[in-house]
This record gives sequence, structure tokens and C-alpha cells, in this order.
Amino acid sequence: AQKITQTQPGMFVQEKEAVTLDCTYDTSDPSYGLFWYKQPSSGEMIFLIYQGSYDQQNATEGRYSLNFQKARKSANLVISASQLGDSAMYFCAMRETGYGGATNKLIFGTGTLLAVQP
Amino acid sequence: GAGVSQSPSNKVTEKGKDVELRCDPISGHTALYWYRQRLGQGLEFLIYFQGNSAPDKSGLPSDRFSAERTGESVSTLTIQRTQQEDSAVYLCASSTGTGNDQETQYFGPGTRLLVL
Repeated sequence: AQKITQTQPGMFVQEKEAVTLDCTYDTSDPSYGLFWYKQPSSGEMIFLIYQGSYDQQNATEGRYSLNFQKARKSANLVISASQLGDSAMYFCAMRETGYGGATNKLIFGTGTLLAVQP
Repeated sequence: GAGVSQSPSNKVTEKGKDVELRCDPISGHTALYWYRQRLGQGLEFLIYFQGNSAPDKSGLPSDRFSAERTGESVSTLTIQRTQQEDSAVYLCASSTGTGNDQETQYFGPGTRLLVL
């Protein structure tokens, strides 16, 4: 079964500095997709960035980038130039399709709570 | 823009009552999902719809939980005979349903359910 592990329950970072949030995954599927979502205190889930297993380059979206190391099965999120508004819960997720595309669900990690300090 | 909407935003009910939670997906999205998030935890998958069919119901925790979707649009999650452990945020998401690896799920704001 697929599994996502986020080992950092919480992290602090100073405003304007970069921070890396760890995510490791386990899957036997040759093709898979990895996603990061942000959940502020308001509770909404905001899609941040996607990385495909066959992508040759690390994904980037503005201040977000993904440090994808396929052999190590890790997909760490890097946030550059942290802002106070980045304080939130961050979830790593993997798309599971099952045999013959029987499902399309996301498997989530337990999340990392990021606090940006002024 | 017309994102995923859910109603009600909050629901307080008494143990043993039935509740219905509603989800309106993004227009044109054929895939729809329900997840549950208990306080301080990650998201648990409940059910996946493609069109009006549910090929994956594996996450429904008991037969008290059911869901349906009509017109390839609105979905309703019903919890019968609610228990206190059902208290959680119920999140709905939708996606294009194309089956591409990069297919992204977009979430609604959730319904916060409290069972007293």
C-alpha cells in the first residue's frame, strides 16, 4: 500500500528565510504523482505544487519548489523567502490509482505545522 | 470564481440523529471525492465518484455512512445515527476526471460536524 511520511510535526522559520518541509513516500507503482497542499487556520486546502514521477526537473511554482529525489523516495517542499502568511499546516500527498485505475484518491501525510516568525 | 462549495459550513447535532452534507463541485469536473479530517490529523479518504458512479467506497468507515451523486454534479454524504467519533471536518474535492498523473484535486471549505 502507498504511504506518505512527514516526520516534522512542527517547524519555526524566520521571516524572509527559506525552509524545507520533509516528505517521504512508499509506492510500488512505476507512475505516480506527488502533491503539496497548504491548510491555513481557516481550514481550506490550497493546492501548491505537483511533481510527476517521470518529470526530469524539479517542479517550481513561484516561491515554492520541490526537491524531488526519486531514488530516495523523497519529495521535500522548499519555501523561499518565507512570509508571515506562510504560517499554516502543510500536507504532502500521493495520488493512488489502484489496479486498472480503480481509484483516484489522494493519500495524505500527517502534516507539518509551519510558524513564520517576524 | 466558481470553486467547490459545501453546505452547511457548520453542523451541530445530537448523537443518534442523521445528517446530510452537500457538495457542489467545480463545473465540468467529473470526479468528486469526500475526505474526513479529525482534529489535528491528516485527511482520510472516504469515497470517490467518477460521474454518478462510485468505483471506490473503500474509505467509508461503517454502513452508517453513504454518499450519492446525481447529474454528475452535486453529491450528498449522509451519516445515519451519528456518533461522537463522527465529529470532524468533512472535505469535498473535485477534479477533471481525465486520469492524468497531474490531475489536481481542488477542495471545498469543508463542513465542520460536531456530534454532542
